[in-house]
Amino acid sequence: KNEVEQSPQNLTAQEGEFITINCSYSVGISALHWLQQHPGGGIVSLFMLSSGKKKHGRLIATINIQEKHSSLHITASHPRDSAVYICAVRRDSNYQLIWGAGTKLIIKP
Amino acid sequence: DVKVTQSSRYLVKRTGEKVFLECVQDMDHENMFWYRQDPGLGLRLIYFSYDVKMKEKGDIPEGYSVSREKKERFSLILESASTNQTSMYLCASTRDTIFGSNQPQHFGDGTRLSIL
Repeated sequence: KNEVEQSPQNLTAQEGEFITINCSYSVGISALHWLQQHPGGGIVSLFMLSSGKKKHGRLIATINIQEKHSSLHITASHPRDSAVYICAVRRDSNYQLIWGAGTKLIIKP
Repeated sequence: DVKVTQSSRYLVKRTGEKVFLECVQDMDHENMFWYRQDPGLGLRLIYFSYDVKMKEKGDIPEGYSVSREKKERFSLILESASTNQTSMYLCASTRDTIFGSNQPQHFGDGTRLSIL
């Protein structure tokens, strides 16, 4: 079993829909990262959080440490949000990140 | 803004060749990382470095080596390229001087390497 699991693997939605992407992990962590990768390869860090909730524009990330679960929400989704969204956790014992396999999101106009 | 620059976006090499992938960051970051990304597997750490001339193996170091002679530059070397090393290679850096402190990783645009 992977230490970081994302769901769904693929998600197609219509413009304007509320999007939720989930990340569950099984190890002790010091932080969780959400990243975005557009076609072409570039990866951008969206959020880093260790508790509670963070919001940036239409993006909201939450984390529940007790349940070892995080969600990334996109409100009023737009075709430019189409990308792969990746969850990664930092172990609480070293520098390394453990990566989820990613969620491919397609927003149709 | 932090800039992480990878020397090539696309690279085609032949089996058995020695391949160098270069990564340069301009923000004086201590830590640098090399990942490969394959469909369905996510990112896998090959090597990382937390200081000049220091390196640590990641999850899949076999067939690779690295060099960090200067703080801003982290090179990934495929000693004798094989077809199973065809992949997207991503370099990242972070300022993370205190153990356990957290900073976002900054990524380069990636190098898509094909080994024929």
